[in-house]
Amino acid sequence: EAGVVQSPRYKIIEKKQPVAFWCNPISGHNTLYWYLQNLGQGPELLIRYENEEAVDDSQLPKDRFSAERLKGVDSTLKIQPAELGDSAVYLCASSFGTGHLEANTGELFFGEGSRLTVL
Amino acid sequence: GQNIDQPTEMTATEGAIVQINCTYQTSGFNGLFWYQQHAGEAPTFLSYNVLDGLEEKGRFSSFLSRSKGYSYLLLKELQMKDSASYLCAVRSNYGQNFVFGPGTRLSVLP
Repeated sequence: EAGVVQSPRYKIIEKKQPVAFWCNPISGHNTLYWYLQNLGQGPELLIRYENEEAVDDSQLPKDRFSAERLKGVDSTLKIQPAELGDSAVYLCASSFGTGHLEANTGELFFGEGSRLTVL
Repeated sequence: GQNIDQPTEMTATEGAIVQINCTYQTSGFNGLFWYQQHAGEAPTFLSYNVLDGLEEKGRFSSFLSRSKGYSYLLLKELQMKDSASYLCAVRSNYGQNFVFGPGTRLSVLP
């Protein structure tokens, strides 16, 4: 079974440029998360989707960040314009959610992340 | 609010046992998770506790005390490949939000 797929793995851009990240979750997982992880720190939630609905975007800097999950499957995260402080790894994760019959523990499955460097 | 604390770094010797502690304060609780993350890689799920007590899975065990807001991950018979960061995460019972601690970077020495 394929895991969570993210692209690109690496992206280097100059400040003020736009950038977009794509995520394909595990088939059947209705919950999708975007996390930001700085070096030496734990992941921090940016946005959580239940199917196509963004149910928690309270930590998303909406002046420059946007996200969408059309049709409740793939998701994209966009930054426009990028700032130096946006350099980090952007992790996508998915889960069944505990209400699902196959949920088991409902743990998160992570993609390998997209490492962004803003120059 | 939610707050999760872990030691920043730990060092142990190959073959030894190490215990990584995690304390948390959350507005709701629906499970505590431990993840392993090797440098440059994605976090991978290790263990899950929702009731008090010890869960054992091979060389790895995890303990939870909900009344104390405390968990630990116990790694036995340490191997060099266990050198990684270990992330403690709490799932809130308000929806499906996971809050992660800062991670503990474990170095296993020969």
